[in-house]
Amino acid sequence: GAVVSQHPSWVICKSGTSVKIECRSLDFQATTMFWYRQFPKQSLMLMATSNEGSKATYEQGVEKDKFLINHASLTLSTLTVTSAHPEDSSFYICSATRRLAGVWEQYFGPGTRLTVT
Amino acid sequence: GQSLEQPSEVTAVEGAIVQINCTYQTSGFYGLSWYQQHDGGAPTFLSYNALDGLEETGRFSSFLSRSDSYGYLLLQELQMKDSASYFCAVLNTGKLIFGQGTTLQVKP
Repeated sequence: GAVVSQHPSWVICKSGTSVKIECRSLDFQATTMFWYRQFPKQSLMLMATSNEGSKATYEQGVEKDKFLINHASLTLSTLTVTSAHPEDSSFYICSATRRLAGVWEQYFGPGTRLTVT
Repeated sequence: GQSLEQPSEVTAVEGAIVQINCTYQTSGFYGLSWYQQHDGGAPTFLSYNALDGLEETGRFSSFLSRSDSYGYLLLQELQMKDSASYFCAVLNTGKLIFGQGTTLQVKP
Protein backbone atom coordinates (compact mmCIF):
# COMPACT_ATOMS: atom_id res chain seq x y z
CA GLY A 1 0.00 0.00 0.00
CA ALA A 2 0.92 3.64 -0.28
CA VAL A 3 3.10 5.14 2.46
CA VAL A 4 3.06 8.64 3.86
CA SER A 5 5.73 9.78 6.28
CA GLN A 6 5.95 12.75 8.60
CA HIS A 7 8.98 14.31 10.18
CA PRO A 8 9.53 14.87 13.00
CA SER A 9 7.29 12.43 14.84
CA TRP A 10 7.40 14.63 17.90
CA VAL A 11 8.86 18.03 18.72
CA ILE A 12 9.11 20.24 21.78
CA CYS A 13 9.73 23.92 21.24
CA LYS A 14 9.72 27.14 23.22
CA SER A 15 6.96 29.67 22.94
CA GLY A 16 7.63 32.19 20.18
CA THR A 17 9.69 29.89 17.98
CA SER A 18 8.66 28.37 14.66
CA VAL A 19 8.40 24.69 13.86
CA LYS A 20 8.37 23.02 10.45
CA ILE A 21 6.68 19.67 9.87
CA GLU A 22 7.27 17.68 6.68
CA CYS A 23 4.84 15.33 4.99
CA ARG A 24 6.07 13.04 2.24
CA SER A 25 4.35 10.50 0.04
CA LEU A 26 7.07 7.88 -0.32
CA ASP A 27 5.94 5.70 -3.18
CA PHE A 28 3.39 7.74 -5.09
CA GLN A 29 2.75 11.23 -6.36
CA ALA A 30 0.02 12.88 -4.36
CA THR A 31 -2.56 14.95 -6.15
CA THR A 32 -3.48 16.75 -3.00
CA MET A 33 -2.27 16.82 0.57
CA PHE A 34 -4.30 17.76 3.61
CA TRP A 35 -3.29 18.96 7.06
CA TYR A 36 -5.30 18.10 10.15
CA ARG A 37 -4.99 19.00 13.80
CA GLN A 38 -6.25 16.83 16.61
CA PHE A 39 -6.51 17.78 20.28
CA PRO A 40 -6.65 15.02 22.92
CA LYS A 41 -9.89 13.02 22.89
CA GLN A 42 -11.20 15.07 19.98
CA SER A 43 -11.74 14.55 16.29
CA LEU A 44 -9.47 15.46 13.40
CA MET A 45 -10.03 19.02 12.33
CA LEU A 46 -9.16 19.84 8.74
CA MET A 47 -6.86 22.85 8.63
CA ALA A 48 -6.02 23.23 4.97
CA THR A 49 -5.90 21.63 1.55
CA SER A 50 -2.63 21.79 -0.31
CA ASN A 51 -2.10 21.30 -4.04
CA GLU A 52 1.34 21.19 -5.62
CA GLY A 53 2.41 24.52 -7.06
CA SER A 54 -0.52 26.53 -5.77
CA LYS A 55 -1.52 28.31 -2.59
CA ALA A 56 -3.12 26.25 0.12
CA THR A 57 -6.82 26.59 0.81
CA TYR A 58 -7.45 27.14 4.51
CA GLU A 59 -10.56 26.17 6.41
CA GLN A 60 -12.57 28.81 8.14
CA GLY A 61 -10.97 29.93 11.39
CA VAL A 62 -7.45 28.73 10.54
CA GLU A 63 -4.91 31.55 10.41
CA LYS A 64 -2.95 31.26 7.18
CA ASP A 65 -0.19 33.57 8.43
CA LYS A 66 0.32 31.39 11.47
CA PHE A 67 0.17 28.02 9.74
CA LEU A 68 2.27 28.35 6.60
CA ILE A 69 1.88 25.58 4.08
CA ASN A 70 4.24 24.96 1.20
CA HIS A 71 3.68 22.25 -1.38
CA ALA A 72 6.83 22.32 -3.47
CA SER A 73 6.48 18.96 -5.20
CA LEU A 74 4.02 16.12 -5.74
CA THR A 75 5.64 14.22 -2.88
CA LEU A 76 6.32 16.91 -0.26
CA SER A 77 4.23 19.35 1.70
CA THR A 78 5.40 21.30 4.74
CA LEU A 79 3.49 22.95 7.55
CA THR A 80 5.26 25.67 9.52
CA VAL A 81 3.74 26.76 12.81
CA THR A 82 5.03 30.30 13.25
CA SER A 83 5.49 31.98 16.61
CA ALA A 84 4.16 28.93 18.37
CA HIS A 85 2.26 29.26 21.63
CA PRO A 86 1.22 26.62 24.18
CA GLU A 87 -2.30 26.53 22.72
CA ASP A 88 -0.77 25.30 19.44
CA SER A 89 0.31 22.11 21.20
CA SER A 90 -1.49 19.37 19.35
CA PHE A 91 -1.19 16.29 17.15
CA TYR A 92 -0.71 17.36 13.53
CA ILE A 93 -1.54 14.79 10.87
CA CYS A 94 -1.12 15.04 7.13
CA SER A 95 -2.72 12.94 4.45
CA ALA A 96 -1.99 12.47 0.77
CA THR A 97 -4.42 11.52 -1.95
CA ARG A 98 -4.17 9.85 -5.30
CA ARG A 99 -6.51 8.43 -7.91
CA LEU A 100 -5.89 4.79 -8.73
CA ALA A 101 -8.01 2.97 -11.31
CA GLY A 102 -10.64 5.67 -10.98
CA VAL A 103 -10.84 5.33 -7.21
CA TRP A 104 -9.93 8.19 -4.93
CA GLU A 105 -7.66 7.06 -2.08
CA GLN A 106 -6.38 8.96 0.94
CA TYR A 107 -3.44 7.87 3.09
CA PHE A 108 -2.54 9.34 6.46
CA GLY A 109 0.88 10.02 7.86
CA PRO A 110 1.80 8.83 11.38
CA GLY A 111 1.35 12.31 12.84
CA THR A 112 3.59 14.82 14.60
CA ARG A 113 3.07 15.63 18.25
CA LEU A 114 3.93 19.25 18.95
CA THR A 115 4.43 20.50 22.49
CA VAL A 116 5.04 24.20 23.01
CA THR A 117 6.46 25.15 26.40
CA GLY B 1 -22.91 23.74 7.18
CA GLN B 2 -21.74 20.21 7.72
CA SER B 3 -22.26 17.91 10.67
CA LEU B 4 -21.74 14.28 11.45
CA GLU B 5 -23.20 12.59 14.51
CA GLN B 6 -22.02 9.38 16.08
CA PRO B 7 -22.22 8.04 19.63
CA SER B 8 -19.38 9.13 21.86
CA GLU B 9 -18.80 5.78 23.56
CA VAL B 10 -19.71 2.14 23.08
CA THR B 11 -18.79 -0.80 25.30
CA ALA B 12 -19.00 -4.46 24.31
CA VAL B 13 -17.50 -7.81 25.29
CA GLU B 14 -15.05 -9.95 23.39
CA GLY B 15 -16.69 -12.05 20.70
CA ALA B 16 -19.74 -9.81 20.48
CA ILE B 17 -21.03 -7.73 17.59
CA VAL B 18 -21.24 -3.96 17.79
CA GLN B 19 -22.73 -1.37 15.45
CA ILE B 20 -21.60 2.24 15.36
CA ASN B 21 -24.05 4.58 13.67
CA CYS B 22 -23.32 7.80 11.83
CA THR B 23 -25.77 10.37 10.54
CA TYR B 24 -24.60 13.27 8.44
CA GLN B 25 -25.69 16.58 7.03
CA THR B 26 -23.51 18.01 4.30
CA SER B 27 -23.90 20.37 1.39
CA GLY B 28 -22.14 17.91 -0.91
CA PHE B 29 -21.62 14.18 -0.60
CA TYR B 30 -19.49 11.69 -2.49
CA GLY B 31 -19.16 8.91 0.04
CA LEU B 32 -18.81 7.82 3.66
CA SER B 33 -15.58 6.45 5.08
CA TRP B 34 -14.71 4.82 8.36
CA TYR B 35 -11.37 5.09 10.15
CA GLN B 36 -9.91 3.44 13.22
CA GLN B 37 -7.50 5.26 15.50
CA HIS B 38 -5.64 3.82 18.45
CA ASP B 39 -4.35 6.11 21.19
CA GLY B 40 -1.33 8.06 19.97
CA GLY B 41 -1.60 6.75 16.43
CA ALA B 42 -2.81 8.06 13.11
CA PRO B 43 -6.16 7.06 11.59
CA THR B 44 -6.19 3.90 9.52
CA PHE B 45 -8.68 3.36 6.74
CA LEU B 46 -11.35 0.72 7.29
CA SER B 47 -13.96 1.15 4.57
CA TYR B 48 -15.61 3.45 2.05
CA ASN B 49 -19.19 3.48 0.75
CA ALA B 50 -20.13 5.60 -2.23
CA LEU B 51 -23.32 3.74 -3.03
CA ASP B 52 -26.17 2.42 -0.91
CA GLY B 53 -25.69 -1.00 0.58
CA LEU B 54 -23.36 -3.11 2.60
CA GLU B 55 -19.62 -3.47 2.08
CA GLU B 56 -17.92 -6.34 3.87
CA THR B 57 -14.22 -6.63 4.65
CA GLY B 58 -13.41 -9.48 6.97
CA ARG B 59 -14.84 -8.84 10.43
CA PHE B 60 -15.82 -5.30 9.53
CA SER B 61 -18.80 -4.24 7.42
CA SER B 62 -20.08 -0.81 6.54
CA PHE B 63 -23.50 0.24 5.36
CA LEU B 64 -24.77 3.37 3.68
CA SER B 65 -28.22 4.77 2.97
CA ARG B 66 -27.89 8.00 1.02
CA SER B 67 -31.60 8.74 1.17
CA ASP B 68 -31.47 8.61 4.98
CA SER B 69 -28.04 10.31 5.25
CA TYR B 70 -27.08 7.42 7.47
CA GLY B 71 -24.43 4.79 7.70
CA TYR B 72 -23.01 2.36 10.17
CA LEU B 73 -19.92 0.32 10.88
CA LEU B 74 -20.46 -3.23 12.06
CA LEU B 75 -17.71 -5.01 13.92
CA GLN B 76 -18.09 -8.75 14.43
CA GLU B 77 -16.23 -11.22 16.64
CA LEU B 78 -14.85 -8.38 18.69
CA GLN B 79 -11.28 -8.68 19.91
CA MET B 80 -9.49 -6.73 22.62
CA LYS B 81 -7.35 -5.06 19.98
CA ASP B 82 -10.49 -3.50 18.49
CA SER B 83 -10.59 -1.09 21.46
CA ALA B 84 -9.99 2.23 19.72
CA SER B 85 -11.73 5.33 18.43
CA TYR B 86 -13.78 4.98 15.26
CA PHE B 87 -14.54 7.94 13.04
CA CYS B 88 -16.99 8.28 10.22
CA ALA B 89 -15.96 10.80 7.61
CA VAL B 90 -17.78 12.33 4.69
CA LEU B 91 -15.99 12.83 1.39
CA ASN B 92 -17.10 16.21 0.12
CA THR B 93 -15.54 17.83 -2.96
CA GLY B 94 -12.23 16.09 -2.34
CA LYS B 95 -12.09 16.81 1.40
CA LEU B 96 -12.67 14.41 4.25
CA ILE B 97 -14.72 15.85 7.08
CA PHE B 98 -14.62 13.76 10.25
CA GLY B 99 -17.24 13.04 12.87
CA GLN B 100 -16.41 13.43 16.56
CA GLY B 101 -15.51 9.78 16.93
CA THR B 102 -16.82 6.85 18.93
CA THR B 103 -14.64 5.29 21.60
CA LEU B 104 -15.11 1.54 21.61
CA GLN B 105 -14.09 -0.34 24.71
CA VAL B 106 -13.94 -4.11 24.41
CA LYS B 107 -14.06 -5.98 27.71
CA PRO B 108 -13.00 -9.56 28.34
